[in-house]
Amino acid sequence: EVQLVEAGGGLVQPGGSLRLSCTASGFTFSTYWMSWVRQAPGKGLEWVATIKEDGSEKYYVDSVKGRFTISRDNAKNSLYLQMNSLRVDDTAVFYCARGGRQQLLYWGLGTLVTVSS
Amino acid sequence: DIVMTQTPLSSPVTLGQPASISCRSSQSLVHSDGNTYLSWLQQRPGQPPRLLIYKISNRFSGVPDRFSGSGAGTDFTLKISRVEGEDVGVYYCMQATQFPLTFGGGTKVEIK
Repeated sequence: EVQLVEAGGGLVQPGGSLRLSCTASGFTFSTYWMSWVRQAPGKGLEWVATIKEDGSEKYYVDSVKGRFTISRDNAKNSLYLQMNSLRVDDTAVFYCARGGRQQLLYWGLGTLVTVSS
Repeated sequence: DIVMTQTPLSSPVTLGQPASISCRSSQSLVHSDGNTYLSWLQQRPGQPPRLLIYKISNRFSGVPDRFSGSGAGTDFTLKISRVEGEDVGVYYCMQATQFPLTFGGGTKVEIK
């Protein structure tokens, strides 16, 4: 059974940093593109970033370029999102998803990031 | 960026009756490999999104056959043949033909 478990969310002040992680199981992690998608409270879905199987290609939505970094550790079956210079409008539930080049097949339960003073 | 526009915003439906959601993209979703990476996702209240349909019309594992997808190019449709109570939620179309990946604004399906 495919499982994606996000962690690392919490309350952070504007300008602060946070590192999200996603631990994958039930599939061969190293052979899949992986993505982060976020959802602000009461709003729709917004794609954030995608990384290729070997980490050699990374893509970001314009609003996070230069502030967020997606990475992965295939030995640990883990996906990460380093978020710096956080803003109030980054407040959202962040979902880890398997895929990104064609479709997003599986989603985690999400982790809530709240940016507030 | 490809803009995805969904209609209607809300769809009140009687149990057992059909529902239809439209999604239009601002440019063709046909990829250079010949595939069209248009997906439909369902988000029930309080739950994460779940993939229903991929590449326009392919039902994902475990998705009931009352859900069907159709369309081509820039116009796509998700149909529910007979709405059941568990179908309540928000439905999103999504394109993965090119980065940035983009979603429609969502259509809320609710029971009358």
